Amino acid sequence: QVQLVESGGGVVQPGRSLRLSCAASGFTFNTYAMHWVRQAPGKGLEWVAIIWYDGSNKYYANSVKGRFTISRDNSRSTLYLQMNSLRAEDTAVYYCARDSSPGHEMDYWGQGTLVTVSS
Amino acid sequence: DIQMTQSPASLSASVGDRVTITCRASQSISIYFSWYQQKPGKAPKLLIYAVSSLRSGVPSRFSGSGSGTDFTLTISNLQPEDFATYYCQQTYNTPYTFGQGTKLEIK
Repeated sequence: QVQLVESGGGVVQPGRSLRLSCAASGFTFNTYAMHWVRQAPGKGLEWVAIIWYDGSNKYYANSVKGRFTISRDNSRSTLYLQMNSLRAEDTAVYYCARDSSPGHEMDYWGQGTLVTVSS
Repeated sequence: DIQMTQSPASLSASVGDRVTITCRASQSISIYFSWYQQKPGKAPKLLIYAVSSLRSGVPSRFSGSGSGTDFTLTISNLQPEDFATYYCQQTYNTPYTFGQGTKLEIK
């Protein structure tokens, strides 16, 4: 069965960096695009980024562009989100999700990992 | 960016009721439109994609409709497990924006 497991969350000071990971199993990882989506405490969903199945294309939300980098290692079936210059407003649960092409909806989600940006 | 305006923000209903949630896009998004359900402390779940296609395993009391910029999620014969928050999303253009969410509560 499809499984996505995020890790790497925690408490980090403003301006610092953090890298999230998402370990995928139960499907052929290197044939699917992948997303990161976040949810601030008590708020709605915010799409963060997408990476194509082969890493050839990456797109970001305006709020993270230039600070966050999505990447993947298909040999390890793992998705990453490198987050730099973190701000208080980046505090959220971060979910990875599988892309269901061609419509790009997200058909499987991980359980999420909490990132808290605080001094 | 494409803005998604979802309404209502909250809704009270009873078991057995029929409810409708609407979502409006700031521009035409073709069929690149989905609905998700989220329960407290859980990840969202995909319900409907491509406007009206029901994801496998989702009960048939859920249905989606619409075109262009205006879309609707209808839940017929509400069941206790349907009380949750619902989000719409466009995937026509990046950034793939979500609506603000509709919290469906028990009356």
